[in-house]
Amino acid sequence: DTGVSQNPRHKITKRGQNVTFRCDPISEHNRLYWYRQTLGQGPEFLTYFQNEAQLEKSRLLSDRFSAERPKGSFSTLEIQRTEQGDSAMYLCASSPPEAFFGQGTRLTVV
Amino acid sequence: RKEVEQDPGPFNVPEGATVAFNCTYSNSASQSFFWYRQDCRKEPKLLMSVYSSGNEDGRFTAQLNRASQYISLLIRDSKLSDSATYLCVVQNTGFQKLVFGTGTRLLVSP
Repeated sequence: DTGVSQNPRHKITKRGQNVTFRCDPISEHNRLYWYRQTLGQGPEFLTYFQNEAQLEKSRLLSDRFSAERPKGSFSTLEIQRTEQGDSAMYLCASSPPEAFFGQGTRLTVV
Repeated sequence: RKEVEQDPGPFNVPEGATVAFNCTYSNSASQSFFWYRQDCRKEPKLLMSVYSSGNEDGRFTAQLNRASQYISLLIRDSKLSDSATYLCVVQNTGFQKLVFGTGTRLLVSP
């Protein structure tokens, strides 16, 4: 048990709907990362927080993606107007500096 | 050129064999290095950090060559349970984002 919790574990949504995922990191970890992974690929960086500050966001992310970490604890990742290409595993990790991952949220857009 | 490159494999080896994976990285300012293990449809799990002097954990040995910008993972006396994808991870200065390779798949057979 890594201590990082992600909800929901699975999400099936229709194209065009909005979805929101939650990540609860290990309590003493101030860095939090979001990654996306598709089959046969390594995790792809999405964004990164140090406490409540969002320090970096991937240029690959469209404006449909937004993430928050309002109190420096849990984080949410929202995808607006989902597309079939958004189907992937969304992974959250907390650190420092070794990262520990949650079990992920598997998103399927139909 | 990808920031972190790995041979995707698969590496097929018999039980008891020794197998080695290499990973190259392009950013000479990279500061921290890790190997993660990922089982099918599971989250990545930290296998070991990689230190400049090299380090060993049981059957696993990791080495770093900063001059040539590569890291390696050696697995001795392979077990069936070692079958997984091994992800090379690089972190740049200031403990910024973790950059993952695509992973090397290992299959250990009886």
